[in-house]
Parts: sequence; C-alpha cells; structure tokens
Amino acid sequence: DAGVTQSPTHLIKTRGQQVTLRCSPKSGHDTVSWYQQALGQGPQFIFQYYEEEERQRGNFPDRFSGHQFPNYSSELNVNALLLGDSALYLCASSLAGGNTEAFFGQGTRLTVV
Amino acid sequence: RKEVEQDPGPFNVPEGATVAFNCTYSNSASQSFFWYRQDCRKEPKLLMSVYSSGNEDGRFTAQLNRASQYISLLIRDSKLSDSATYLCVVNRNFNKFYFGSGTKLNVKP
Repeated sequence: DAGVTQSPTHLIKTRGQQVTLRCSPKSGHDTVSWYQQALGQGPQFIFQYYEEEERQRGNFPDRFSGHQFPNYSSELNVNALLLGDSALYLCASSLAGGNTEAFFGQGTRLTVV
Repeated sequence: RKEVEQDPGPFNVPEGATVAFNCTYSNSASQSFFWYRQDCRKEPKLLMSVYSSGNEDGRFTAQLNRASQYISLLIRDSKLSDSATYLCVVNRNFNKFYFGSGTKLNVKP
C-alpha cells in the first residue's frame, strides 16, 4: 500500500519563476491538504482539496493555487516566486469526514534564489 | 494568539530519563488531537492520537484536558532514538490541522 508520494523532492528556482509540486495521496484517501514549513517552524496550512475543489484555504496569497484530479492526486502551483517562499512543502492526505489523522509525504524542499 | 502553542525547547535529557511536553490550543471547537514526530529534514509522522481518557503506547502516554485546552505527552525511559521534534496538532473544520512550532528533544548517552 503506497503512502503519500510527492515530487520532486528538491527544487531550486529563481525569484519570479513559477513552480508546480505534485502529490499522490495514500490509497483510499480523498482529501489532500498542502502545508508550508519554514525552518524551525511548524507546518502552516495553505489549502485543502476535496472532490476536485478547494474546500478550505489558509492565510496565503493567491500566488498559491492548486488543483485536484479525479484520481485524488493534487498539484500546488506558486507563481512569481519570492525568496520567502523557500521552505519544505508538505502534502497530507486524509479521509473526508473529519477527526482523522493525516499522513504526510516526504515533502518537496523548494529553494528560491 | 497562535492556535497551538508549545515550548520550543530544546529539552536535553540523559538516556533513561522521563520527559514531559505540554501544549495548549486556543480554539475550543477543536475536534481531535495528535502528537506527531518529525526527524530533521523529514516529514512529520503520526506518533499517537490523544483522547480525553488518556492513552498509552508503550513508553509514551498522551493526555488531553478539554476544559483547560491542554495536551501533554510523557516519554518514559528515553532512548537515543527518541531524539526528534515533537509537534502538537489539533484538527477542526474537516481535517484542517493546526500545528505547534514543535518541541525539540535531544536524548544524550
């Protein structure tokens, strides 16, 4: 049973560029959430996708956008990259209905130079 | 005020010690509670769920006090392999997880 997989694992981009990160949730899970984790901080919620729609959003600018596909996999897109976007981006999968634990992918470490 | 607050540590303890971590959350509508463990430059991994009745998993005991909005984790007989950052997590609004900043534990030989 495959867990949550993310790609790529590492990425270096230049300020102003755009990036797409990908996530495949754990088998049987239908909800994908994205988190940004800066060094020394806990993960911060970016947004959540369920039934191919953005269901919830954290306090992130609309440079951050996403998509969920019919197979439940998801993409996170960040436009006009800033140096401050450098972080570990984590994808978490869970089951809809609430009150359940989330399982995380290994993350994508994004460095913006 | 942050949704979830934790003492950042680090907690430096010898092998075999007992160590306790505390966490408070601000929103009484929070529905479920967890401790996650995160090793350096890795993803968070679920350590255990936390229930009002308290729950134990081997050397680990977690407790929830809803009235005080307080969560704890006790680790007995610490091992070198317990060295990690421990994240307190609360869940509300359909699996929107709120993380503390983490408490770093260093277990020394």
